[in-house]
Amino acid sequence: QKEVEQNSGPLSVPEGAIASLNCTYSDRVSQSFFWYRQYSGKSPELIMSIYSNGDKEDGRFTAQLNKASQYVSLLIRDSQPSDSATYLCAVIYNFNKFYFGSGTKLNVKP
Amino acid sequence: KAGVTQTPRYLIKTRGQQVTLSCSPISGHRSVSWYQQTPGQGLQFLFEYFSETQRNKGNFPGRFSGRQFSNSRSEMNVSTLELGDSALYLCASSLVPPQRSTDTQYFGPGTRLTVL
Repeated sequence: QKEVEQNSGPLSVPEGAIASLNCTYSDRVSQSFFWYRQYSGKSPELIMSIYSNGDKEDGRFTAQLNKASQYVSLLIRDSQPSDSATYLCAVIYNFNKFYFGSGTKLNVKP
Repeated sequence: KAGVTQTPRYLIKTRGQQVTLSCSPISGHRSVSWYQQTPGQGLQFLFEYFSETQRNKGNFPGRFSGRQFSNSRSEMNVSTLELGDSALYLCASSLVPPQRSTDTQYFGPGTRLTVL
């Protein structure tokens, strides 16, 4: 079992819709959780991080963490074609190792 | 402030050769992590350096090694290259080793290594 699991997609949503990306992880002692966006041919860039259970909002993005169920999700409201990218979920284990999921490809159709 | 820089950006080698990749972190950042990204395996952690010391190492064979210099610049070396080593190698820097959600890693553009 991989430490971090994501559905590879592609996830297709129409412009203006809410895109929901999910990630599950295997270690109950995980500390911090991150969502990165990676455009084709580019390096990952951080969108959001979350540490505590609940929701964290930043503009059109909302990260949701549920430690009891071991999942973290990212909601993108009012999706735009420019949001089309691969979204990587990452988890810190043991205080300093980053584990990345394989990513979910999001397509936002105009 | 300049971002993370990696050199070279592209590299073509043949099996059995060795290669050295370089990473210069953001000024003031002392932690450097290396990752391998392939279509099949995604992003995999190689190792992390802080203050010239390797703090963590991923599950890669001993052919993969690295080091960090006193100016925080880091190099990674792959010896006896195999076809499966073809990948995008990404370096990420942070102020200190990433431990909490407030610690952000910034990625460089990567080095695309092709092994023929």
